[in-house]
Amino acid sequence: GESVGLHLPTLSVQEGDNSIINCAYSNSASDYFIWYKQESGKGPQFIIDIRSNMDKRQGQRVTVLLNKTVKHLSLQIAATQPGDSAVYFCADSRGGGGNKLTFGTGTQLKVEL
Amino acid sequence: GAVVSQHPSRVICKSGTSVKIECRSLDFQATTMFWYRQFPKQSLMLMATSNEGSKATYEQGVEKDKFLINHASLTLSTLTVTSAHPEDSSFYICSARKDGRKETQYFGPGTRLLVL
Repeated sequence: GESVGLHLPTLSVQEGDNSIINCAYSNSASDYFIWYKQESGKGPQFIIDIRSNMDKRQGQRVTVLLNKTVKHLSLQIAATQPGDSAVYFCADSRGGGGNKLTFGTGTQLKVEL
Repeated sequence: GAVVSQHPSRVICKSGTSVKIECRSLDFQATTMFWYRQFPKQSLMLMATSNEGSKATYEQGVEKDKFLINHASLTLSTLTVTSAHPEDSSFYICSARKDGRKETQYFGPGTRLLVL
């Protein structure tokens, strides 16, 4: 991911709508990608991951899409709920790089009732 | 499961003192743990990789003599902030990687450090 700036991008959605959170990564050698959810004052919580040999993976109410051509990752949340309000981070790693994670900037998701 | 705990959850100390933060993997073994720092409304920045039984690997710009890391067992890593100053005030988060799983990191709840 690319970690820049002091201002988190914000995405506001209505309860029940679908949310799409986007992320760009810079290392073309990255082969593993992961989305985390972080609530205020807490540590990041694993949501879903995907390897570079896949372009889509689905979980419970979440889908991750990977476009390696443009180095883009997205997280789709279906039927967004108030409890989904949090900051979402993407992270990527490269097997040959010690599997260290590089985190993106983060996106603040706000769910409006 | 994959539960990681941190202690303390928050600490306030005077400038010049040292503070130790513990990170424990509660239900799995972790040869490798990671320490991150996070400032308000910013992303997580990796400070160092903690390896059980060997020296930690620090990221560029992180002072190893200031941020002492000890990984004495397969379930415990400690970060000691030595001679803390107000600019060290931050949210410190550890993560642990399950042995046998190369990539996925499970994070602790974080420790809020305030240096007066």
